[in-house]
Amino acid sequence: DTAVSQTPKYLVTQMGNDKSIKCEQNLGHDTMYWYKQDSKKFLKIMFSYNNKELIINETVPNRFSPKSPDKAHLNLHINSLELGDSAVYFCASSQLGVRRNTIYFGEGSWLTVV
Amino acid sequence: LAKTTQPISMDSYEGQEVNITCSHNNIATNDYITWYQQFPSQGPRFIIQGYKTKVTNEVASLFIPADRKSSTLSLPRVSLSDTAVYYCLVGDEEYGNKLVFGAGTILRVKS
Repeated sequence: DTAVSQTPKYLVTQMGNDKSIKCEQNLGHDTMYWYKQDSKKFLKIMFSYNNKELIINETVPNRFSPKSPDKAHLNLHINSLELGDSAVYFCASSQLGVRRNTIYFGEGSWLTVV
Repeated sequence: LAKTTQPISMDSYEGQEVNITCSHNNIATNDYITWYQQFPSQGPRFIIQGYKTKVTNEVASLFIPADRKSSTLSLPRVSLSDTAVYYCLVGDEEYGNKLVFGAGTILRVKS
């Protein structure tokens, strides 16, 4: 079973569209994240939720809106997509208090905006 | 946040031991040092973590000097499948510090 699963894996869309990426973890973790990896391979944290509450919100355009319906899910909705949003988006999870700094990543969602 | 510096890339041959050093001069007292591995088209995965001295698991060893301003990931007898990007992270999510990924080290293992 996949511990952290995200869909879709590949997404090609036009500028101006709105899209969502879904993420689910079956590890029972209380913290979930969204990371963005750009073309230069830098991996940057975007958001972090702990028990459905936002705890980290990096300098991300407000076109990006995370939604956590429960602690096993953290979806990412992106409005008015721009060319610069093209990247790989990774969902991840961890359990605070257990095995410090151990973050489990999903396989990634490749977003291409044309 | 503690910043890390690693070599951009390294080349090695199968069967050799590979040592990747990470500098983190402003590491804080409660920071842990964690290494991740990322294969192409996959998410990073945890390899090893330490606070001080030496840690060894089935995959790698981590050497941390007394001043903790650097750390060295040691991969024994690498194989082609060890070709990946290796990230050194310094921080402690327990204290709410978000973990920052640097540029990583691209390790290429050749036959």
